[in-house]
Amino acid sequence: DAGVIQSPRHEVTEMGQEVTLRCKPISGHDYLFWYRQTMMRGLELLIYFNNNVPIDDSGMPEDRFSAKMPNASFSTLKIQPSEPRDSAVYFCASKGVQETQYFGPGTRLLVL
Amino acid sequence: KQEVTQIPAALSVPEGENLVLNCSFTDSAIYNLQWFRQDPGKGLTSLLLIQSSQREQTSGRLNASLDKSSGRSTLYIAASQPGDSATYLCAVASMEYGNKLVFGAGTILRVKS
Repeated sequence: DAGVIQSPRHEVTEMGQEVTLRCKPISGHDYLFWYRQTMMRGLELLIYFNNNVPIDDSGMPEDRFSAKMPNASFSTLKIQPSEPRDSAVYFCASKGVQETQYFGPGTRLLVL
Repeated sequence: KQEVTQIPAALSVPEGENLVLNCSFTDSAIYNLQWFRQDPGKGLTSLLLIQSSQREQTSGRLNASLDKSSGRSTLYIAASQPGDSATYLCAVASMEYGNKLVFGAGTILRVKS
């Protein structure tokens, strides 16, 4: 199994631009999680899906953030418009019947 | 609100030493506790998961214990190696939050050769 796949691995953009992060979970996993990691706030859960349905988006910081999961093998996290304070590493993780979450390598986002 | 604290924030030890990382949580109503490892620039790798009904889990040189009533967990690493150098994160799945994990800030471990 290839594990959780995220793209791009690095993204540099200018303030005000739209940013789209992508995630492919492990096949057969029915939970998908989006996290953000910063030095100041550590690792925070933004949103998670179960069977492609958003269950809890209470961690999404603002309306500028949105996430979708159109099918079981693909999810996106979009930031529009982006701001410098959005600079962070964004992780996607997936989980199956067992409790362990499997993390992707992350997308390192820098908003100038 | 569940809060997870990890002590120490950083640790530097010589190779071969046994060491203990500590994790504490404020709400004992949990489903499980997990220990993760994060290498620089990489994602998280699950090391051990302890269900709320369990007292400990072992994997190789790693042993994690859980005392739910006191809100504490420890990760014991035996005979440390330079390859163990990484950030170790503790995360709790609370009954209040369901499938959401609440993470500690991590312990940065450096094992010197």
